[in-house]
Amino acid sequence: RKEVEQDPGPFNVPEGATVAFNCTYSNSASQSFFWYRQDCRKEPKLLMSVYSSGNEDGRFTAQLNRASQYISLLIRDSKLSDSATYLCVVNSEDNYGQNFVFGPGTRLSVLP
Amino acid sequence: EPEVTQTPSHQVTQMGQEVILRCVPISNHLYFYWYRQILGQKVEFLVSFYNNEISEKSEIFDDQFSVERPDGSNFTLKIRSTKLEDSAMYFCASSPTDAEETQYFGPGTRLLVL
Repeated sequence: RKEVEQDPGPFNVPEGATVAFNCTYSNSASQSFFWYRQDCRKEPKLLMSVYSSGNEDGRFTAQLNRASQYISLLIRDSKLSDSATYLCVVNSEDNYGQNFVFGPGTRLSVLP
Repeated sequence: EPEVTQTPSHQVTQMGQEVILRCVPISNHLYFYWYRQILGQKVEFLVSFYNNEISEKSEIFDDQFSVERPDGSNFTLKIRSTKLEDSAMYFCASSPTDAEETQYFGPGTRLLVL
């Protein structure tokens, strides 16, 4: 079983739409959760950390369900500039120690 | 806003050659990392570094890889004898205080092994 899985995408949505991304992780001992965005051929950039109580930053809302080992990201009123790949990242411990584990990403295209 | 920098932005090398990728982490950060991303694939952890020694490394980080912090600012990744499959984007990252904190990524070095 893969450690971090995400919706395969791509998601093509019109401007102004609401879009939700889902992520599941396999290691129940994971402690930290993040959403990063990655533009084509660029570095991952932190979008937001994900807290147990859920958190919101403007048009972005992240939710964490530890019991189901599930993380979500909701984008409201999507803009053209939201087009990117969204990476679910989990701080996890495996045979090699504690490290960031990246999901494969979900690509979003916001269309005019 | 402080940022992680990496040089070179692109590197082309012949198979079997050694390459050194350089990174300058954010100045007050204590944890440093290298990741790689093969084109079209996910970001993969290579190694983390704290207090002048490797703290964690993945199965990818075999004997051909090494890391060093030669002075107070640079953090390097050396690949001793490059293989075709080492072609990838290599990202350096740093975080302020511990391995669970947010990591900030540099712009990456695109390595092409011919």
